[in-house]
Amino acid sequence: GAVVSQHPSRVICKSGTSVKIECRSLDFQATTMFWYRQFPKKSLMLMATSNEGSKATYEQGVEKDKFLINHASLTLSTLTVTSAHPEDSSFYICSAMVGVGAYEQYFGPGTRLTVT
Amino acid sequence: GENVEQHPSTLSVQEGDSAVIKCTYSDSASNYFPWYKQELGKRPQLIIDIRSNVGEKKDQRIAVTLNKTAKHFSLHITETQPEDSAVYFCATPNAGGTSYGKLTFGQGTILTVHP
Repeated sequence: GAVVSQHPSRVICKSGTSVKIECRSLDFQATTMFWYRQFPKKSLMLMATSNEGSKATYEQGVEKDKFLINHASLTLSTLTVTSAHPEDSSFYICSAMVGVGAYEQYFGPGTRLTVT
Repeated sequence: GENVEQHPSTLSVQEGDSAVIKCTYSDSASNYFPWYKQELGKRPQLIIDIRSNVGEKKDQRIAVTLNKTAKHFSLHITETQPEDSAVYFCATPNAGGTSYGKLTFGQGTILTVHP
């Protein structure tokens, strides 16, 4: 149980275009999902907390108009990188919390974004 | 907010030896302490966790110990194998409010097990 999928696993896009990344909880409902960014050999940096049916909460320094998050259902959250630039190239990982009162989080396999 | 410090940043051991990684945290209200293993290019995987009402938890070759008074918790891997080589992260979550469940990660430890 507690499987989280992420799609696509890799994407290459041109500078100025937008990219959408999907995060799904496959066998459980996730009221809360998290989006992280990870640079090579670094720890995970939380970008935003995504709550189903409400606006995402962004961490300080993360541009909400640049990284659009939508959590339309209990099993799906999406991250859209708008007007991507080479500096947005990174490994993006989502996680889903199993339930209120339980802290366990399970991570998606990540999306490697390369902006050329 | 929570501050988590993880040491060492790199750890190199011979196969069969033990490895210990330690994390300290700042929020005395923290009550859940997970450890994640991440292989290169892969997702972090929860390998063991402990709650604040327990001092130690074991799962085969892996154990976690918690000292709430000193605010630190440690990962212990015994009889290490080359496949244990990975990056290990500790974390603690926010306990309440709008940031419920939000994880603060340690900086990570690169563990290398030499055959």
